[in-house]
Amino acid sequence: AQSVTQLGSHVSVSEGALVLLRCNYSSSVPPYLFWYVQYPNQGLQLLLKYTTGATLVKGINGFEAEFKKSETSFHLTKPSAHMSDAAEYFCAVSESAGNQFYFGTGTSLTVIP
Amino acid sequence: SQTIHQWPATLVQPVGSPLSLECTVEGTSNPNLYWYRQAAGRGLQLLFYSVGIGQISSEVPQNLSASRPQDRQFILSSKKLLLSDSGFYLCAWRPNRGPYEQYFGPGTRLTVT
Repeated sequence: AQSVTQLGSHVSVSEGALVLLRCNYSSSVPPYLFWYVQYPNQGLQLLLKYTTGATLVKGINGFEAEFKKSETSFHLTKPSAHMSDAAEYFCAVSESAGNQFYFGTGTSLTVIP
Repeated sequence: SQTIHQWPATLVQPVGSPLSLECTVEGTSNPNLYWYRQAAGRGLQLLFYSVGIGQISSEVPQNLSASRPQDRQFILSSKKLLLSDSGFYLCAWRPNRGPYEQYFGPGTRLTVT
C-alpha cells in the first residue's frame, strides 16, 4: 500500500523567503510523485510531477522538487515566496500501473508581507 | 484540449433530500474518473473511481453512490443527505494509460442544512 505524509499542516514564511514544504511517501514500487496547489474554493492545479529521469523537476510559478529515493522524499521548494503563493499544497503518489492517487493531508502556506 | 466541468458550483440542500452532482470531460476518450470530497480544513478523501462505463469502485462505505452512464460522464448521487455530507466535492480525470497526472474540475460546494 502507498501513503503520503506531509510534515506541517501549516507553514508561514515571509515574502521573499525560501519556501520548503515537506513530503515523504511509502511505496513498494517505483512511484510517480506529484505536487498540486489549491486556491480557496477552487480545484487542484498541478505544480509539477516526477515520473522517471531527472530527479530534480521544475514546475510552474518557480517551484521545484527533488525526488530522493534513499529518503523516500519529494520536498517542494521555491527560492523566494510571493504573496500569491499563499494556498493549500498537496503531495500525491501513484503507482506506475495503478489507477489511484494517494494524497497527503495538505499544507497550508501563509506568506507574511 | 481537454476540459472538465462540474455542476452545480454551489448547492444548499436540507437533510434527507436527494443529491445529484454531475461531472463531464471533453476532449478525451475512456478516461479514468474520480470523485473526491474535502471536508472543511481537511485533505482529499477518495469516494469513487471508474475505469470505464458502468465500472465503479467505492472506496468509502457511505450513503453516496456513483454512476458512469456515458464514457465521459460521472455522476455522484445520494437518496438522503446527511449533515456530514457537507463539503467540497471534486471530480477529476486521468488518461487510462501512462504516468499522467489527474486533472481536477472546479468543484461543487455542498452545504447540507
